Amino acid sequence: DQQVKQNSPSLSVQEGRISILNCDYTNSMFDYFLWYKKYPAEGPTFLISISSIKDKNEDGRFTVFLNKSAKHLSLHIVPSQPGDSAVYFCAASGRGGGSNYKLTFGKGTLLTVNP
Amino acid sequence: DVKVTQSSRYLVKRTGEKVFLECVQDMDHENMFWYRQDPGLGLRLIYFSYDVKMKEKGDIPEGYSVSREKKERFSLILESASTNQTSMYLCASSLGRGPQHFGDGTRLSIL
Repeated sequence: DQQVKQNSPSLSVQEGRISILNCDYTNSMFDYFLWYKKYPAEGPTFLISISSIKDKNEDGRFTVFLNKSAKHLSLHIVPSQPGDSAVYFCAASGRGGGSNYKLTFGKGTLLTVNP
Repeated sequence: DVKVTQSSRYLVKRTGEKVFLECVQDMDHENMFWYRQDPGLGLRLIYFSYDVKMKEKGDIPEGYSVSREKKERFSLILESASTNQTSMYLCASSLGRGPQHFGDGTRLSIL
């Protein structure tokens, strides 16, 4: 039972355009969401997060939108750059401490930004 | 900056061997995690620890054990390595509900 789904295995965009990566979740106890970027042969790098009390969070070229009623979040990258080419993982965690600190990851979306 | 260091980038072992993967973090984080990453499957949690000597099973703990004797160090143990444990292993740490910070991974091959 996949609780965090990234339905697009890959996405290709032109340099300078917007990249939109999507993520859906099924567990209504999730209240904290994160995006990670991963290059080959490296560990994932934290990009941006959002709490369920917000519907938008921005950090430079990266914006995450959260639609709680649809259980959907998206990552927007504007403008896209060739260095953004990587696998992007969506992750979520639930309320409380202890075991609720663990993250549930989606399977990832490979973003390719073409020059 | 948080530094999570995994002892080996590449490791080759034989079926049936006992394998130790070591992870050290330098930021006094109470939470530490072990994942494996396989193509098409994303990151799957093996074990995690939210305090010294405390551990909890993740989604795929079978064939693995862990040890956390000191706050900064979290070890993953493959009791008797099998070929289906060939994978990329990733260690992470976090402070409270903050983001997890990952090491660069160990690519483990079991022959």
